[in-house]
Amino acid sequence: GAVVSQHPSWVICKSGTSVKIECRSLDFQATTMFWYRQFPKQSLMLMATSNEGSKATYEQGVEKDKFLINHASLTLSTLTVTSAHPEDSSFYICSAREGAGTYEQYFGPGTRLTVT
Amino acid sequence: DAKTTQPTSMDCAEGRAANLPCNHSTISGNEYVYWYRQIHSQGPQYIIHGLKNNETNEMASLIITEDRKSSTLILPHATLRDTAVYYCIVRPTNYGQNFVFGPGTRLSVLP
Repeated sequence: GAVVSQHPSWVICKSGTSVKIECRSLDFQATTMFWYRQFPKQSLMLMATSNEGSKATYEQGVEKDKFLINHASLTLSTLTVTSAHPEDSSFYICSAREGAGTYEQYFGPGTRLTVT
Repeated sequence: DAKTTQPTSMDCAEGRAANLPCNHSTISGNEYVYWYRQIHSQGPQYIIHGLKNNETNEMASLIITEDRKSSTLILPHATLRDTAVYYCIVRPTNYGQNFVFGPGTRLSVLP
């Protein structure tokens, strides 16, 4: 099956700094990528949807200036958490969908962010 | 909002079949039933999906009732590694729809 990777798998950063998380589709071209956030003992919540070459669409309540998403190529999307605070500590998961006309989504392994 | 309801948690003895129910009484004709699972601190793993016929693969079987208002995921011989949160998701076939995750069922396989 299709593989989606994330890097890093975990990261610790200091409050006020920014951190970038990468999501790559390894063996297919992903026209659409999704970013989810998962707090402890909770389910996945969609943060934003990005289509290659266009601006991301953010879910209600997600600050687009704080969570910067770039989907500049068909195999790479990045999520940058700017001016991170302890409440941003969470498990961030991306998923990717192959080209137009398909609806299968493949999930990455997730990135654990801890802000101290 | 998730369109499914699942029990919060279930236990299953190792080696026995695990039967995980899911209610989706408002499912539409163009919506598939998907099952994913999430082992602790990992991304969701695809298990199986179906529209109206029962499906089986190397991981599990999916039994969908004739009226499609409920389904059951069957792990035929549960192992300790099957301990995870199992998500039942209904999703239309329209391109552009993403997965909406509910709270899922936490399955504990006991030795």
